[in-house]
Formats: sequence, C-alpha cells, structure tokens
Amino acid sequence: AQTVTQSQPEMSVQEAETVTLSCTYDTSESDYYLFWYKQPPSRQMILVIRQEAYKQQNATENRFSVNFQKAAKSFSLKISDSQLGDAAMYFCAYSRGNNRLAFGKGNQVVVIP
Amino acid sequence: ETGVTQSPTHLIKTRGQQVTLRCSSQSGHNTVSWYQQALGQGPQFIFQYYREEENGRGNFPPRFSGLQFPNYSSELNVNALELDDSALYLCASSLAISGGYNEQFFGPGTRLTVL
Repeated sequence: AQTVTQSQPEMSVQEAETVTLSCTYDTSESDYYLFWYKQPPSRQMILVIRQEAYKQQNATENRFSVNFQKAAKSFSLKISDSQLGDAAMYFCAYSRGNNRLAFGKGNQVVVIP
Repeated sequence: ETGVTQSPTHLIKTRGQQVTLRCSSQSGHNTVSWYQQALGQGPQFIFQYYREEENGRGNFPPRFSGLQFPNYSSELNVNALELDDSALYLCASSLAISGGYNEQFFGPGTRLTVL
C-alpha cells in the first residue's frame, strides 16, 4: 500500500511571505500522480496543484509551485506571496491513476497578517 | 453546472444504529468515491463506484456498504455503528475516461457523530 507522510503539523507564515510544505511518499510504481489539496474550515477539499510522475518539469499554478524529486520520493509545495485566504489544512495525496487517493495527515497553514 | 452535494450536513447516531449518507455527483460524472476523515487525520479511501458497480475498496469492514444509482448519485451505508465511525465522510465524483487520472471533485462532507 502506498503511504504519504507529512511532517510539521502546523506552519506559520507572514502575509506576503513564502512557506514550503514537505511531503514524502512510498511507492513501487513508476507511473502515478501527486496532488496538493486545500481544506479550508468549510471542509470542502479543493485541488491546488497536480503533478504527473512522468513529467520532469515541476508544476506551477499561479502562486503555488511544487518541487518534485522522483528518486527521493519527495513532493513539496511552495506557497509564494501568502494571502490570508491561504490559511487552511493542506493535504498531500497520491494516486496510481485509478482515481483512488491516498492522503497524508495534513499540514495546518496559519497566515499572520 | 451543479457541484457535488452531500446530505445531511451533520448527523448524530448512537452505537449500534445504522446510517445512510447521500451524495449527488457533479453533472456528467459517472464515478463516485467515498472517504472517511477522522478528526486530525487525512481522508481514508472507503470504496468507489463506477456505473453502479463497486470498483475498488479500501481497508474497511463489510458493514460499510454503498450503492450507486442510474443517475450516478450514491449512498454510503454503515451498519452497527461504532464510536470510531465518528468522522467527516467525503464524497468525490469524477468522469472516468480511459487512461490517465480524472480529477475528483469533492463535496462538503457529512459530519457523523456516534455517541
């Protein structure tokens, strides 16, 4: 079974600054997908960014970017120019492409005005 | 386009009872997955339904069962409720096409409390 590990349960960042969330995963597959999801207090999971394992180029979505290190099985999320609306739980997730997601335990991001 | 909806929002049950949670998938989606998110944890995959058939199951006992209807809406049933079943239950829908990953869209969840 695939496992996803997130350390640092809570991260604080000043507004407009940058924060990086770490994630490692364990898999024997070569083709898979990695994700970062945001879960605000409203509880609804929102996809932030997605990375296909066969792509060497790191994914970016506006202020969100990832550092994907396939050999190290590492997948970190960088949030640049942090905004108050970024405050939420962030989950790293893995899928083999069968639409079943394996999630980590999450990182709480606190944005300080 | 209507997003994924779930009902009820909150539910309180007692140990041993049975519960049914409902999910309406996003328009055009044919696959529904259910997840259990215990407090302070990430969601855990329960099972997935594709075109009314179970299409994969996580490490959950048989008292967790489901259905998918012809309109692709879905139900999650839990029998003989235990205290540890207290959690947020998330439903996610997607349009399964051949090859690749199909983005899942999540509902707001049902908060189940078992006393």
